[in-house]
This record gives sequence, structure tokens and C-alpha cells, in this order.
Amino acid sequence: QKEVEQDPGPLSVPEGAIVSLNCTYSNSAFQYFMWYRQYSRKGPELLMYTYSSGNKEDGRFTAQVDKSSKYISLFIRDSQPSDSATYLCAMSAGANSKLTFGKGITLSVRP
Amino acid sequence: EAGVAQSPRYKIIEKRQSVAFWCNPISGHATLYWYQQILGQGPKLLIQFQNNGVVDDSQLPKDRFSAERLKGVDSTLKIQPAKLEDSAVYLCASSLGTGGPSYNEQFFGPGTRLTVL
Repeated sequence: QKEVEQDPGPLSVPEGAIVSLNCTYSNSAFQYFMWYRQYSRKGPELLMYTYSSGNKEDGRFTAQVDKSSKYISLFIRDSQPSDSATYLCAMSAGANSKLTFGKGITLSVRP
Repeated sequence: EAGVAQSPRYKIIEKRQSVAFWCNPISGHATLYWYQQILGQGPKLLIQFQNNGVVDDSQLPKDRFSAERLKGVDSTLKIQPAKLEDSAVYLCASSLGTGGPSYNEQFFGPGTRLTVL
């Protein structure tokens, strides 16, 4: 079993849709949870960063962490064509520790 | 604020040749990471530096890969000799490493795309 599993893609939605992206993990030591967005031929860009369980909202993006279920989600409201990218979940066991990434899911938002 | 710089952006080599990648982290960032991202997968950590010292190199294939970070700033990653399976994007990232808010947030460079023929 991989440490981090991410829902397979690709995912295609119409503009304005609500998008739900999910990851599960097996390592109970993970405490820091992140979502990165990666455009084609670019490096990953940090979108959301949460510590431990709970919700965090930033504009159209909401990150949820459920440590009891070892499950994290990213919700995108009112999706835009500019949101079309690969989304990677990542997590670490400690501050300043290595990140363990999911495989990523490619999202396409159709105008 | 300038981001993480990497060069070259693209490199094509024959198997068994050697290659080197360069990374300049964000100014003031003490921690530097090298990740390997194979097509269709998430990045995998190869090595982590804190200033000049190595924190984690457990997933670095040390028979062919080497990395150094002289003076705690720039870093180079070398592969010698290269194999076909080394074809990937090599990403450099940096973080503050100590103190301050969000000190462990990692910022990534654009990567070097390596093709081994």
C-alpha cells in the first residue's frame, strides 16, 4: 500500500462547477497537509497548507483534513478555466520534513 | 522576491553519460530539497539540506547520484552514469527552515526536464 493515494484522473468539469479532490494516507505520523497546483512544465505551487485536522478556507478553495479517517480533500467552488492544472496532495510527519506526494490528478475546466 | 532558480531547463543525454543540474534557492532559505518527478507521478524526495549539511538522503541512489550545497546557498545535483530510468523532471525547492511564520512551506523551482536516450 502506498503511503499516499490520490483519486485517479483525469477530471473534466464545466466552468462554475464545484470540484472535489481527495487523498487518503496510511502513515498516522503525518501532521502537515498541503495541496499543490502544477501547471504544465512548471514547478508545483503551494495552494493550501493545514496542520492537523479541520477545515481551512481561502477564497474559492477549501481544504479539509480528517485525521481519524486519514482522508484529506480540496474543494474548488465556482471553478474557472484557469484552474485547469494538475493538483497534488502532499503531507509530512514533522515541520521541515520531507513531503510525501500523491500521484496528482489532472483537472480540466471547460468554458 | 525572486523565486527558486534552476538551470538548465531541458537536457537530453545518452545513457552512461553524466549530467549536472544547478539550483539557486530563495534568498535566506536555509533548507533546500531536490525532488525527482517521473511522468505521471508526484515528486519524490532525493535529498534535503539544512544549510551545508545533509538531513535526509535515504532515497538518493548514491551509486550514481551525488549532490552538494557549498556555502549553504546554491546546490548542484549530478548523475553519473545516467540510466534510461533517470528520465524525469528534477525539481529544486527551498524553505526558510527555521523561525518565522510558515517556516516549513516549500517553494519549488520550474524544474529541469532530463531525457536519457
